[in-house]
Amino acid sequence: DTAVSQTPKYLVTQMGNDKSIKCEQNLGHDTMYWYKQDSKKFLKIMFSYNNKELIINETVPNRFSPKSPDKAHLNLHINSLELGDSAVYFCASSQEGRRGYNEQFFGPGTRLTVL
Amino acid sequence: AQSVTQLDSQVPVFEEAPVELRCNYSSSVSVYLFWYVQYPNQGLQLLLKYLSGSTLVKGINGFEAEFNKSQTSFHLRKPSVHISDTAEYFCAVSDQRGFKTIFGAGTRLFVKA
Repeated sequence: DTAVSQTPKYLVTQMGNDKSIKCEQNLGHDTMYWYKQDSKKFLKIMFSYNNKELIINETVPNRFSPKSPDKAHLNLHINSLELGDSAVYFCASSQEGRRGYNEQFFGPGTRLTVL
Repeated sequence: AQSVTQLDSQVPVFEEAPVELRCNYSSSVSVYLFWYVQYPNQGLQLLLKYLSGSTLVKGINGFEAEFNKSQTSFHLRKPSVHISDTAEYFCAVSDQRGFKTIFGAGTRLFVKA
């Protein structure tokens, strides 16, 4: 029944490691997003994919690489993790095209802690 | 480009009192406006949205917001809050092409007994 799911929910790792976060949506949406929420709750868009094509890349370091194998999945791979990458990462999805607005449905978040 | 300013970082209020969370936006094009709520340790969920038409929009959980184009504001209101309304509230704006939503910094609503 979960609309947007993310795995893992918690991720604790050492600096320099490579890790991935997976996201899946079962809403039939054609657009998916990754957001980063810092410790002050500020929410910033990182990437947006529409029909598996990258639409938005908001000056994110190239250590972050999104991959969309199909419209229902958008995974986030992070290389050479740094302390500043510690945050909560949210995946979201929306259906574009119908009137152009993007009401988004969010996943529960992945709390990444880099030690 | 759009931007969103939430004028209060924290709003403490007593249970059953009214509350208003303020949001101003700037944009050179027509926009869609949203309020999202984030309960502790959860993702965001949509409270309400303004796309066009009536400037007063009603959302879930008794919340409503009024779009004021001349003042570029979209303030969120509730006439009587409950303890369960304690959460982080985000105002957001999207241009009508879609794909990119800009979120405000959030307002922490803390309802006291």
